[in-house]
Amino acid sequence: DIVMTQSPDSLAVSLGERATINCRSSQSIFYTSNNKNYLAWYQQKPGQPPKLLINWASTRESGVPDRISGSGSGTDFTLTIASVQAEDVAIYYCQQFYSSPPTFGQGTKVESK
Amino acid sequence: QLQLQESGPGLVKSSETLSLTCTVSGGSVNSRSYYWGWIRQPPGKGLEWIGSVYYSGKTYYHPSLESRVTMSVDTSKNQFSLRLSSVTAADTAVYYCARLTIVMAWPPNYYMEVWGKGTTVTVFS
Repeated sequence: DIVMTQSPDSLAVSLGERATINCRSSQSIFYTSNNKNYLAWYQQKPGQPPKLLINWASTRESGVPDRISGSGSGTDFTLTIASVQAEDVAIYYCQQFYSSPPTFGQGTKVESK
Repeated sequence: QLQLQESGPGLVKSSETLSLTCTVSGGSVNSRSYYWGWIRQPPGKGLEWIGSVYYSGKTYYHPSLESRVTMSVDTSKNQFSLRLSSVTAADTAVYYCARLTIVMAWPPNYYMEVWGKGTTVTVFS
């Protein structure tokens, strides 16, 4: 199984500041045949199910604010919240869909400072 | 708008079988474009994919759970189901059903596009 490791486990940011979450896969999740990275990001607020934010490492789902962006390739990926708002307080998970079984990172908790 | 709703007992006795159903509304399980899956989250922990079922009945399970998991789909009721046998305390979790967008045909792989609200299952002895 591909192991997904996120860092940090948690971070506290002031509203309006930038938050950066890293995700590393134990092997490359980039397909050269279609030039795509097989990575998704999810947001989970307390008491709610996860919500898909980004797929293919950088494609935002409809309705996701553009202050949230994904980047990276191969084994190293980043989710950036450019200016954290109160509604961004949540746990964020990365997930690889390059090979089965699909696997998730352990999560990164974003809190307000 | 697609909605998924999990249902089933919230308490299951150790060594018995956990059974959950996911009812789909605003869309059809009878679709070639998606798998339908189950993901669980133990208290205070991360997410674990359990398995998936296709409209045809084809299934794919997490290797670590394969010996205990059975999934099925009922297109007439627009539902799909999960059965997990011989449960222990380690199976206590919130169980989510989800629609899975296929990115790879076989073995199937996908991202989890739409999630149900989840249902808490507690295994007791």
